[in-house]
Amino acid sequence: DTGVSQDPRHKITKRGQNVTFRCDPISEHNRLYWYRQTLGQGPEFLTYFQNEAQLEKSRLLSDRFSAERPKGSFSTLEIQRTEQGDSAMYLCASSFGVVEETQYFGPGTRLLVL
Amino acid sequence: KNEVEQSPQNLTAQEGEFITINCSYSVGISALHWLQQHPGGGIVSLFMLSSGKKKHGRLIATINIQEKHSSLHITASHPRDSAVYICAVRIRYGGATNKLIFGTGTLLAVQP
Repeated sequence: DTGVSQDPRHKITKRGQNVTFRCDPISEHNRLYWYRQTLGQGPEFLTYFQNEAQLEKSRLLSDRFSAERPKGSFSTLEIQRTEQGDSAMYLCASSFGVVEETQYFGPGTRLLVL
Repeated sequence: KNEVEQSPQNLTAQEGEFITINCSYSVGISALHWLQQHPGGGIVSLFMLSSGKKKHGRLIATINIQEKHSSLHITASHPRDSAVYICAVRIRYGGATNKLIFGTGTLLAVQP
């Protein structure tokens, strides 16, 4: 257990439905990251927050995806109008620092879109 | 061509063997990370390095910035080392970025 928690751990939904995932980082960590990982591949960067500010977004993050970190603590990732191609493991990581630092990963949320 | 490539993709070893996993990258980086992922998804950071060599227990990581290459070594391998090992790099841009680019991972199975 790294201290980063994610909820839910598993989600099955029907195509077209909206889903929301939550990430609770280690409490003093100012940076929070979202990644997506499909089977047999390494994770891909989605977005990054420093405190409550969303500083980077990947081109992978289409307009159906939105992420928030309203108070600089927990974060949510919402996918609207889910598609089968959204099926993946969604990973959250957090870190503390100004320069290079170790990222601590949560257990992930596995999404299956039917 | 991926910016981060690992080899081999799959590796089977006998308990006690010395294991090497390689990572090559094609971009300028500020740091390289080695991560371990067990079945079920949990990822643990093993090393972060920008030069030289680091050692932690039976694990050793080296990086050659000029050759854009890093290796992860496991000495006296054990079945509990069985996992996917992932290399990730942070690109060195003119501005600040914290995005990591990941390799596809090396699946290691250590047989007793």
